[in-house]
Amino acid sequence: EAGVVQSPRYKIIEKKQPVAFWCNPISGHNTLYWYRQNLGQGPELLIRYENEEAVDDSQLPKDRFSAERLKGVDSTLKIQPAELGDSAVYLCASSLGTGGVNTEAFFGQGTRLTVV
Amino acid sequence: DQQVKQNSPSLSVQEGRISILNCDYTNSMFDYFLWYKKYPAEGPTFLISISSIKDKNEDGRFTVFLNKSAKHLSLHIVPSQPGDSAVYFCAASASTNAGKSTFGDGTTLTVKP
Repeated sequence: EAGVVQSPRYKIIEKKQPVAFWCNPISGHNTLYWYRQNLGQGPELLIRYENEEAVDDSQLPKDRFSAERLKGVDSTLKIQPAELGDSAVYLCASSLGTGGVNTEAFFGQGTRLTVV
Repeated sequence: DQQVKQNSPSLSVQEGRISILNCDYTNSMFDYFLWYKKYPAEGPTFLISISSIKDKNEDGRFTVFLNKSAKHLSLHIVPSQPGDSAVYFCAASASTNAGKSTFGDGTTLTVKP
């Protein structure tokens, strides 16, 4: 069974440029998450989708970040314009649902973003 | 205010011995706890979990203990193997917001042959 697939693996951009990340979750997983992980820290939730609906985007900096999950499958996360402080690893994860054992998330390999 | 804390950034143990990784939390609403393992350049991988209705959960060499009164949990690995060398993250969630897991900053475990 294929795991969570993310692309690209690495991205280097200049500040003020836009960038987009793509995620394909595990088939059948209704819940999709985008996390940001800064160096030396744990993942922090940016946004959570239940099917196509963004049910928790309270931590998403909406002035420059946007996300979508069309047809309840693949998802993209966009930053426009990028700032130096956005340099981090962006992780996508999926799970069957939420609550109890469904909380267990499967993570992709992440996209390491460097803003210069 | 960090709600999930892993106070030891690193831990080094000898192969065959026990590894004990600790995690403290402050939010009394947390009722489900998870441990993830992460190798370099990979995403975290789920390892083991425990519900607040239990105080222990065991899976092979891995055991998680939960002390609700102390708001403390620990992961025991016995015996430790060099392949266990990784970063271990503790995470917690509340059934009132089951989709949101709050992670600690991780503990880097090194198991020496």
